[in-house]
Amino acid sequence: GQQVMQIPQYQHVQEGEDFTTYCNSSTTLSNIQWYKQRPGGHPVFLIQLVKSGEVKKQKRLTFQFGEAKKNSSLHITATQTTDVGTYFCAVTGFQKLVFGTGTRLLVSP
Amino acid sequence: DTEVTQTPKHLVMGMTNKKSLKCEQHMGHRAMYWYKQKAKKPPELMFVYSYEKLSINESVPSRFSPECPNSSLLNLHLHALQPEDSALYLCASSRDSAGDYYNEQFFGPGTRLTVL
Repeated sequence: GQQVMQIPQYQHVQEGEDFTTYCNSSTTLSNIQWYKQRPGGHPVFLIQLVKSGEVKKQKRLTFQFGEAKKNSSLHITATQTTDVGTYFCAVTGFQKLVFGTGTRLLVSP
Repeated sequence: DTEVTQTPKHLVMGMTNKKSLKCEQHMGHRAMYWYKQKAKKPPELMFVYSYEKLSINESVPSRFSPECPNSSLLNLHLHALQPEDSALYLCASSRDSAGDYYNEQFFGPGTRLTVL
């Protein structure tokens, strides 16, 4: 089945530092979604990207879809302790969502 | 109401027990999903219901039996589970599942299942 890799698997930053997670696919994607799962919580939808080269911002979060629609990134500027959690990209196809491997973010105050 | 509810929150069962997980949404969504999530892993799709009909079964063992009594409810019946089935079971819903453009999925809080 389709596999979507995310790097890094884990990152530990000091509050105020920036953070980026990358999502890579071997195939061209029609669109990509991003979800955040807090520790002990459930995935929560953040955003969907559809167009090649698309960039969307949500406050300190910047999402980008690659020009070839094979990769995507999520960048957090000046992390806060509330950003702690696992960030998943998810790709769509044939009525289902396939989640990436996830990046776990830990933020120290 | 943009909430998906799941009951119970926690469940401990023996390998010979029969139990059911329940999921409910009142957003008018026509697609509902069951996922299994192991610790430190992404959610893995188990079943998709679209317009109350089972549209995807990801080769899930028959000891897991889904049911969609109506457009708001989704059940997962469990029978003769194995200890390796212990996991967080997440229900999700979306407006629909058709076509290339996918709507966001709304997840419930999950049922943490332990099989002894």
